[in-house]
Amino acid sequence: QVQMVQSGAEVKKPGASVKVSCKASGSTFSVYYIHWVRQAPGQGLEWMGWIKPIDGGTHYARKFQPRVTMTRDTSINTAYMELNRLTSDDTAVYYCTKTRGLAPILPFDSWGQGTLVIVSS
Amino acid sequence: DIQMTQSPSSLSASVGDRVSFTCQASQDISEYLNWYQQKPGKAPKLLIYDASNLETGVPSRFSGSGSGTDFTFTISSLQPEDIATYYCQQYDDVPLTFGPGTKVDL
Repeated sequence: QVQMVQSGAEVKKPGASVKVSCKASGSTFSVYYIHWVRQAPGQGLEWMGWIKPIDGGTHYARKFQPRVTMTRDTSINTAYMELNRLTSDDTAVYYCTKTRGLAPILPFDSWGQGTLVIVSS
Repeated sequence: DIQMTQSPSSLSASVGDRVSFTCQASQDISEYLNWYQQKPGKAPKLLIYDASNLETGVPSRFSGSGSGTDFTFTISSLQPEDIATYYCQQYDDVPLTFGPGTKVDL
């Protein structure tokens, strides 16, 4: 089972950017797709997009397209999600997760522990 | 976008009860439907994929059924450790979307 470990909590001011990391164990990092999902306090789950580590290909949800960038560093099995122009509505726990197989849209079978991002002046 | 709804939003049951709740998609998603369990402060956990397939290591008291637009999740005998919020998720098309969740408590 792939383990995914995310970076620690962040506090940011409105208008700033945040970059969250997700390090995956094992040699299969490049094979699966890494997705990012967020959850505002007391709310449900919201999908943000994916990155294909083997070639860096990405697909973002329309809502986040202007502000999100997903990247990866295969040498250290780490994926990143950067969100710009933060507002208080971006306060949430951000999760990385991986697909169950080799296609971009599949069930998510392993999740990071979550990274709390608080946006506050 | 495909909208997912879940019913009820919350329910209370006793240990040993059979518990069921539903998920409905705004359009036909075939069997591209997953169920996740989320406990407070924890990441979601995949329980059921492709509407009715039990993820490896998940207890057999959990089951799922349905296709098209209507799906059901069942716990055959509720255990204390099953107290959580359950989310359905469609992966027929992007954007991937989740239902609002069903909270199960004792």
